Amino acid sequence: SAVISQKPSRDICQRGTSLTIQCQVDSQVTMMFWYRQQPGQSLTLIATANQGSEATYESGFVIDKFPISRPNLTFSTLTVSNMSPEDSSIYLCSVDGTGQGEQYFGPGTRLTVT
Amino acid sequence: GQQLNQSPQSMFIQEGEDVSMNCTSSSIFNTWLWYKQDPGEGPVLLIALYKAGELTSNGRLTAQFGITRKDSFLNISASIPSDVGIYFCAGQLRETSGSRLTFGEGTQLTVNP
Repeated sequence: SAVISQKPSRDICQRGTSLTIQCQVDSQVTMMFWYRQQPGQSLTLIATANQGSEATYESGFVIDKFPISRPNLTFSTLTVSNMSPEDSSIYLCSVDGTGQGEQYFGPGTRLTVT
Repeated sequence: GQQLNQSPQSMFIQEGEDVSMNCTSSSIFNTWLWYKQDPGEGPVLLIALYKAGELTSNGRLTAQFGITRKDSFLNISASIPSDVGIYFCAGQLRETSGSRLTFGEGTQLTVNP
């Protein structure tokens, strides 16, 4: 399985500001994913980030709010823009490491917006 | 869209007991995955299932892919305190949804020593 790291591990931010979360994988992967996990809830897919093309966003998530970069096959960033307290969540990246559908997750970034 | 119903929502058991949890879907999947999430961590993949009827074990864990492709269960035998955590099922249907995973709501497991 892939080893995935995320930075920062947690942050407390003021409303109206933006935070960029980094995801680094120890091997080259085609598909990377960004999820949100609100307090006490399950995981919801934000977008799929493919290298060399625009990210594909799920219903309810837009590029202006959650811009994503995927500059190479081992790295991606997610920015949470113009934050409000409702954006307080855990943000997780994952990768499809085998090409068979198994996804492996990073440790998450715990964001609190005040 | 696809919805996954996971039950039970929470379980409180004694160490040594067996545990069973399941997920049902309104539509079919061709991959079922089971994850465990510890506090402050990301989900960890426990078992992956790819074929209807498939029964797969990983140590004390056993999971099955239902023959209708709309359900899956996870059993944990002889529970121990480190089994505590949240267990999530996830389904995938590549033909229509690509690599997207749909997650269940989770089962919070508490094991009393």
